[in-house]
Amino acid sequence: GQNIDQPTEMTATEGAIVQINCTYQTSGFNGLFWYQQHAGEAPTFLSYNVLDGLEEKGRFSSFLSRSKGYSYLLLKELQMKDSASYLCAVRDSNYQLIWGAGTKLIIKP
Amino acid sequence: DADVTQTPRNRITKTGKRIMLECSQTKGHDRMYWYRQDPGLGLRLIYYSFDVKDINKGEISDGYSVSRQAQAKFSLSLESAIPNQTALYFCATSAGDLETGELFFGEGSRLTVL
Repeated sequence: GQNIDQPTEMTATEGAIVQINCTYQTSGFNGLFWYQQHAGEAPTFLSYNVLDGLEEKGRFSSFLSRSKGYSYLLLKELQMKDSASYLCAVRDSNYQLIWGAGTKLIIKP
Repeated sequence: DADVTQTPRNRITKTGKRIMLECSQTKGHDRMYWYRQDPGLGLRLIYYSFDVKDINKGEISDGYSVSRQAQAKFSLSLESAIPNQTALYFCATSAGDLETGELFFGEGSRLTVL
């Protein structure tokens, strides 16, 4: 079966750096997405990786290793507004998105 | 105004009632989706449509039906609601495969079935 694993919850301190991991087992691979979802709100797109390596976008970076079935989202200079759930999703060989359950990130002052 | 609009935003209903959730978009995208989100689970695809004449079942279509009335409108119906359909429902749109295919979500419709 297809599976996306990410930690259920993480806690970090304002101003620090946090890495949220995502491992996947899917039928084929056509890209990996990270979305941010604040409580009670819609998910919003953060990043897209289809080739191995690091994609940097401001304070957020996303890394992909296709051979390891692994990605991480790196958040730098954490702000209180970064408290949210972070969803990892993989597009499989049928171009269907398989979603992880999300990682709830709690930022403490 | 939001690019993807869902109505109603909140609905409480009783078992056996028919419910319709509506979605409209101004992004000009051909592709539209309905997902449900439950605590502790990933988003699950209910139905999707790649154009007005195209309707496809997703992972969990049983108990649901959809209608694509126009490029901009995609509605989800629960013919006879049951309590385990209590969830947060999201409509989403995307452009074609030539782009990244990122999804643009509506604000969600929270449905409670008593």
